Amino acid sequence: DIQMTQYPSSLSASVGDRVTITCRASQDIRSSLAWFQQKPGRAPQSLIYATYTLQTGVPSKFSGSASGTDFTLTITNLQPEDFATYFCLQYYTYPFTFGGGTRVEIK
Amino acid sequence: EVQLVEFGGGLVQPGGSLRLSCAASGFRFGDYYMDWVRQAPGRGLEWVARIRNKANSDTTEYAASVRGRFTISRDDSKNSLFLQMSSLKIEDSAIYYCVMGYSGSVFDVWGQGTKVTVSS
Repeated sequence: DIQMTQYPSSLSASVGDRVTITCRASQDIRSSLAWFQQKPGRAPQSLIYATYTLQTGVPSKFSGSASGTDFTLTITNLQPEDFATYFCLQYYTYPFTFGGGTRVEIK
Repeated sequence: EVQLVEFGGGLVQPGGSLRLSCAASGFRFGDYYMDWVRQAPGRGLEWVARIRNKANSDTTEYAASVRGRFTISRDDSKNSLFLQMSSLKIEDSAIYYCVMGYSGSVFDVWGQGTKVTVSS
């Protein structure tokens, strides 16, 4: 199985900050990487798929990038509604596997 | 509006069985692959199973943790997805989400989830 190592597991940031979250795949997954946001008590919401492509309706403050098997989610100008938990997902091969999640908290 | 609604969760004893359902609306259900994803309390997300569409013979894929115990199926005439769970273990306790990739992406539509608790 492909392991997705996500880090950090949590971070504290202030409104207006820029944050980055990384997922490292244990092997090549091409561009088959998605990012999700989840708020307490809610189902996850899709942010980005195919490493870079923003889901319809997702603001451009969210962006995805990759370098080899390292995939990064960047959030700029952090706002109160962005404080949530973020997960990555590889869907290159079965079983699909998620990263462990990053909780973004208010400093 | 594209919508997925799960139901059928509840409390079941270890070794027991439960059938989850997902009612789909707002799209041509039979054209799409469908998945189940679960989330244990306070934990991360785990992909559980996938069923392809009729054009791909409704073939299935499973996570190793549920293979042989869970069965994913669909009834396109009723716009419904199912997850038959048997030989349930305590570690199967989770919120189960019905999920699909609608707009050419992956997992962009999620249901609200249904909670399964396996406990004696």
